[in-house]
Amino acid sequence: AQKVTQAQTEISVVEKEDVTLDCVYETRDTTYYLFWYKQPPSGELVFLIRRNSFDEQNEISGRYSWNFQKSTSSFNFTITASQVVDSAVYFCALSEAPRSDYKLSFGAGTTVTVRA
Amino acid sequence: DVKVTQSSRYLVKRTGEKVFLECVQDMDHENMFWYRQDPGLGLRLIYFSYDVKMKEKGDIPEGYSVSREKKERFSLILESASTNQTSMYLCASSKGGREVQETQYFGPGTRLLVL
Repeated sequence: AQKVTQAQTEISVVEKEDVTLDCVYETRDTTYYLFWYKQPPSGELVFLIRRNSFDEQNEISGRYSWNFQKSTSSFNFTITASQVVDSAVYFCALSEAPRSDYKLSFGAGTTVTVRA
Repeated sequence: DVKVTQSSRYLVKRTGEKVFLECVQDMDHENMFWYRQDPGLGLRLIYFSYDVKMKEKGDIPEGYSVSREKKERFSLILESASTNQTSMYLCASSKGGREVQETQYFGPGTRLLVL
């Protein structure tokens, strides 16, 4: 079963628009970690944020913000005032409890295209 | 900054060839990982290693093997490449530890085409 669902395959916006990427996860663990990564055209995954399941406080970093809601098992990501450099594939990932396999389960990714 | 490097950005191989993909990290991380990325499927874990000479299967280990002789280097081996192994391969590393899920840092990826 898919543990991380990113329902949006592609999103296209015009520069300066806001864009929200949805991430819904599934786990039975009470301790887990959620991540967002960005993959620009160059290919390298860039780490953006890590949250643990006990910290539901929303976070803002510059134009990026994250909304973590355990009640709906969602960890959504918003880019405010998007720029062309934000064009990339964005992945949400889940790790379930500290465990020996250190496994990350990734969503399928959302491709964001920001047009000038 | 964490630096994870992969030996090749692009590779073209023929069916049946033995293929080596190399990954090196410079942050003394204990854990290293190999993923493959395919459109619509996200990243899937092939193998990982939490110590030198240790390896564990991930979700899709069939057709692959790995080697970790030194802490900083983790190699992915395709014993006999097949066309369905055409993909983007990503290496990652993270600190060791069982108390908290450490962040994985990724290399630039290797695009492998098997003809």
